[in-house]
Parts: sequence; C-alpha cells; structure tokens
Amino acid sequence: QVQLVQSGPEVKKPGASVRVSCKTSGFTFTNFGISWVRQAPGQGLEWMGWISGYNSKTTYKEKFQDRITLTTDTSTTTVYMELRSLTSDDTAMYYCARDIRSWTEDHWGQGTLVTVSS
Amino acid sequence: DIQMTQSPSSLSASVGDRVTITCRPSQSMSASLNWFQQRPGKAPKLLIYDASTLQSGVPSRFSGSGSGTDFTLTISSLQPEDFATYYCQQRDNFGGGTTVEIK
Repeated sequence: QVQLVQSGPEVKKPGASVRVSCKTSGFTFTNFGISWVRQAPGQGLEWMGWISGYNSKTTYKEKFQDRITLTTDTSTTTVYMELRSLTSDDTAMYYCARDIRSWTEDHWGQGTLVTVSS
Repeated sequence: DIQMTQSPSSLSASVGDRVTITCRPSQSMSASLNWFQQRPGKAPKLLIYDASTLQSGVPSRFSGSGSGTDFTLTISSLQPEDFATYYCQQRDNFGGGTTVEIK
C-alpha cells in the first residue's frame, strides 16, 4: 500500500535550517510528484512546494522561494525538504503528500513537527 | 495570490443533518478544486477532486459541485466520524477551513 513516512520532530533555534525527510513506498516513485504542506498550531493548511519524482523539477510558493529546497533520492524513493533561516513563524507541522495529478494530493505522510525556539 | 474564501468558518450540526460548506476562489482558475477532511491530530484526507469526483473509498454521502468561483461540499447525512475540519484547495491555495462540531 502507498506509504509516506516522515522523519521525527525537530527543535531548532532561530536562524537555523531544518531538513525533513519523506520516505515513500508502495508506488512507482518516478510516476508521481510530492508536495509539501505545513500547518501552524491551530491554523489552516499552507502549500509550500512540489517536486517531480521523474526529473526533480520543482515549483515553490513565492513566499518560500528564497529559503526552501526540495530534493529527491530515487535510489531510496525519499524526498527531502530543507527550510533555511527559520523564525518562530515556521513552527508548524510539515506534511509531505503524493500528487495523483497537478495540485491534488491523495496520500499524506504522518507529519513532522518543527519547533523554532530560542 | 488567489484567495479561497470558505464559509462558514464553523458550524454546529447533529448526526443525520445535511451540511453544506461553500468555497469561493477570488478568481476563476482552470485547475482542480479539491476538498479535504482533517480530524484532530491527523493528516488531511482527500475527499473530492475536480470539484465533484469522489476519491476512492470515500462514502457516497459526500458530494461536491460547482464551477468558476462558487463551489460546494455537501454531506447528505452527517455521521459521528464526520465531525472534523474541512478545507478546499485550488492549485497552491487552501481555504481557511470549516470546522463541523457536534450540536
């Protein structure tokens, strides 16, 4: 079955970077893209970016353009999300999700809580 | 940026009620309009895509309709497991969410 398993919680200081992994299984990795969505505590969903499993092409939300990088490792079918220059506003649950088609996420990871605190 | 306006932001309903949630994008886009359900502490779950196509495994009491700048999610007969928050999405934009609570 389709699974996306994310890395564990992170605590970072302001100004630091965080890297979250999303290990996928149960489907042909190169046939799909992976999106990243975050959710601040008690808030709604915010789409961050997308990467193709086929050719690693990326699309980023403009507000994250300068400090987010998505990468893939096709040998382990894992996607990585790096977010730099963290502030307390980046404290959130971060989700990876498989795209069954453009802008439509059908399977989600369990989420990774990133806490930014001095 | 496209704004996705959901209404209401919350509602109280009873088991068996018919519930309707509206999503209005600030402009019309040629992209799938999706609906997600999120229970507390869980990841979102895709319910409907392309405005009206039911995702595999989703109960038929959920339905979607609409086009352009006016979309609707309907739950025909609310069940206990449907008490959750619902989000619409189009491209890289999510609505603010509608929380369905027990009356």
